[in-house]
Amino acid sequence: NAGVTQTPKFQVLKTGQSMTLQCAQDMNHNSMYWYRQDPGMGLRLIYYSASEGTTDKGEVPNGYNVSRLNKREFSLRLESAAPSQTSVYFCASKARAYEQYFGPGTRLTVT
Amino acid sequence: ILNVEQSPQSLHVQEGDSTNFTCSFPSSNFYALHWYRWETAKSPEALFVMTLNGDEKKKGRISATLNTKEGYSYLYIKGSQPEDSATYLCAFGLTGGGNKLTFGTGTQLKVEL
Repeated sequence: NAGVTQTPKFQVLKTGQSMTLQCAQDMNHNSMYWYRQDPGMGLRLIYYSASEGTTDKGEVPNGYNVSRLNKREFSLRLESAAPSQTSVYFCASKARAYEQYFGPGTRLTVT
Repeated sequence: ILNVEQSPQSLHVQEGDSTNFTCSFPSSNFYALHWYRWETAKSPEALFVMTLNGDEKKKGRISATLNTKEGYSYLYIKGSQPEDSATYLCAFGLTGGGNKLTFGTGTQLKVEL
């Protein structure tokens, strides 16, 4: 089992460029999440998907879109990157009443 | 926005010391309280998930307690070792919250020789 995988690991974008962060899990979990981690702010939820076919906004959704492509995959898209989106992005998945499993993170810099 | 607070923000202890941290969360509509351990340059890893008032969980030298009526949880580390150095996060889940968690900002522990 690979657990939760994320691609890419690192990315540098110019302001205004777009990109999609990919996340996949092989644990047959229903729920998947996207967080960003900034110094002093902890993990903040961007979007989540409680089950295949549903997505909901979290605490900081502005500037992002998501797609729950199937049960395994949950992608995060930045349509027009801004320097304020420089962060480390973590994807996670969870079975119903249990702990979240996190991917290795994507370090994104927007110049 | 839910308020999940952790204290202290950071802590330096000597090897062999025992220590504890606090997580405070809203006491209404409680569903679950999670503790995670997060080492630098790695991903957070789950330590405990607690759902019932009075729950106590233990894993080796680390244990946690839960008081849902007053809205707090304690994490204890007995006989700290350098490998315990990490940030410890708690996360709160709300009833009807759609399986999502609100994380605190963490307690950064450094264990010195």
